[in-house]
Amino acid sequence: DTAVSQTPKYLVTQMGNDKSIKCEQNLGHDTMYWYKQDSKKFLKIMFSYNNKELIINETVPNRFSPKSPDKAHLNLHINSLELGDSAVYFCASSQIEGISEAFFGQGTRLTVV
Amino acid sequence: TQLLEQSPQFLSIQEGENLTVYCNSSSVFSSLQWYRQEPGEGPVLLVTVVTGGEVKKLKRLTFQFGDARKDSSLHITAAQPGDTGLYLCAGASDSNYQLIWGAGTKLIIKP
Repeated sequence: DTAVSQTPKYLVTQMGNDKSIKCEQNLGHDTMYWYKQDSKKFLKIMFSYNNKELIINETVPNRFSPKSPDKAHLNLHINSLELGDSAVYFCASSQIEGISEAFFGQGTRLTVV
Repeated sequence: TQLLEQSPQFLSIQEGENLTVYCNSSSVFSSLQWYRQEPGEGPVLLVTVVTGGEVKKLKRLTFQFGDARKDSSLHITAAQPGDTGLYLCAGASDSNYQLIWGAGTKLIIKP
C-alpha cells in the first residue's frame, strides 16, 4: 500500500493551460504539504495544510492553489502555466506539522512547453 | 531567516572510501532529520537526531547532532554504489512548525 500517492507522475502541457495534480495519503496524518524541487534539486515548500490552517509560502504565485476535499487529500491547482513552473512537485504528509517525519509521494514531473 | 547549508553540494568517490556530509546553520533546531532521495522518487527519512551531541548509527552511516543543535554531519564508512543518491538535511524549529531544508548533497559512488 502506497502511503502518499500522487498523480500523474508525468505531466507535459502548454503555456497558459490550467492543470491539477492530485495527492492522497492513507497514513491518517493531519498535515499535508506541497513542495517544488527545481533542476538544482533544491526542495522548496509551497504550502502546508492541516484541518485548521493553510500556510502559504509568500513567494508562491497566486496561480498556485491547494484544495483539500478532506483530510486525506490535498490537490494542487495551477492556473495559467508558465515555462518557469517546470519542476518536480512533491506531495508529503506528517503526523505533527513541521516536526515529525515527512512522508513523500513519488513526485510529479511537470514540463511546460 | 533560518537557513541550512549543506556541503559539499556534489561528491563523487570510489566504492570503499569514506565520506562526510555536513549540514550547518546559525540557528538552533529542536531536531534534525536526514533524508535520502533516489532518482524518480521522493525523499525518504533515514534518521532524526534530537539531543545535542547525539550520535546515531544506521549500518555504515553515522549521524551526529552538534552540541549546540546548530549543525549535523553524516559519515558513511566504506561507501557502496547503493549509497548513491541525494542526501537532504531538514531542521525542525519550535518557533514556526516548518521544516527548514538544506539544498542537498548529490553523492555518487563509483564501482
